[in-house]
Amino acid sequence: QKEVEQNSGPLSVPEGAIASLNCTYSDRGSQSFFWYRQYSGKSPELIMSIYSNGDKEDGRFTAQLNKASQYVSLLIRDSQPSDSATYLCAVSGGSNYKLTFGKGTLLTVNP
Amino acid sequence: DGGITQSPKYLFRKEGQNVTLSCEQNLNHDAMYWYRQDPGQGLRLIYYSQIVNDFQKGDIAEGYSVSREKKESFPLTVTSAQKNPTAFYLCASSIFEGYEQYFGPGTRLTVT
Repeated sequence: QKEVEQNSGPLSVPEGAIASLNCTYSDRGSQSFFWYRQYSGKSPELIMSIYSNGDKEDGRFTAQLNKASQYVSLLIRDSQPSDSATYLCAVSGGSNYKLTFGKGTLLTVNP
Repeated sequence: DGGITQSPKYLFRKEGQNVTLSCEQNLNHDAMYWYRQDPGQGLRLIYYSQIVNDFQKGDIAEGYSVSREKKESFPLTVTSAQKNPTAFYLCASSIFEGYEQYFGPGTRLTVT
């Protein structure tokens, strides 16, 4: 059974700081990694995809992947109160192609 | 506009009644999924379908049924056999299984 682990939080950061969200996964053969943002009462929204080791930047967001350590992270630079949400990590590939979601980390950005 | 629609947004039913939740996509995606989310909990997979006329049980299929007669549509029926049906139901699709999934806005079902 593929597992994806995230710290449930809440993670609280001040406005303008860097928020760092972490995710570990159990299936060493996993190939595709995704970060979703879910505002309270809304559905998840895809914000980043990463497939190879290293960093991938998109605006204020950077996804980092380290397959050897089975670790993927999401950095949010210049955090804004509007970034306050639950962030879900999702992983696919390896033993099966199903997308497995972590339970999410609640991020609060304080003005 | 391409996307996934779910209807209705809110649904109220009496215990013992079956209810069907609608999910339609115009993204030309082959794979579709149903998840359930309870307050403070992660996503739990109910059913998924990789192609038309085929679907598989997810982790919590008991008390639910689906059909996939058209590529665009993947309705979910919550039957009276589901013990705790009150939840937020999310439909998603992806071009193929294992690729990034895109979610509809969700249906919040309350059963009393």
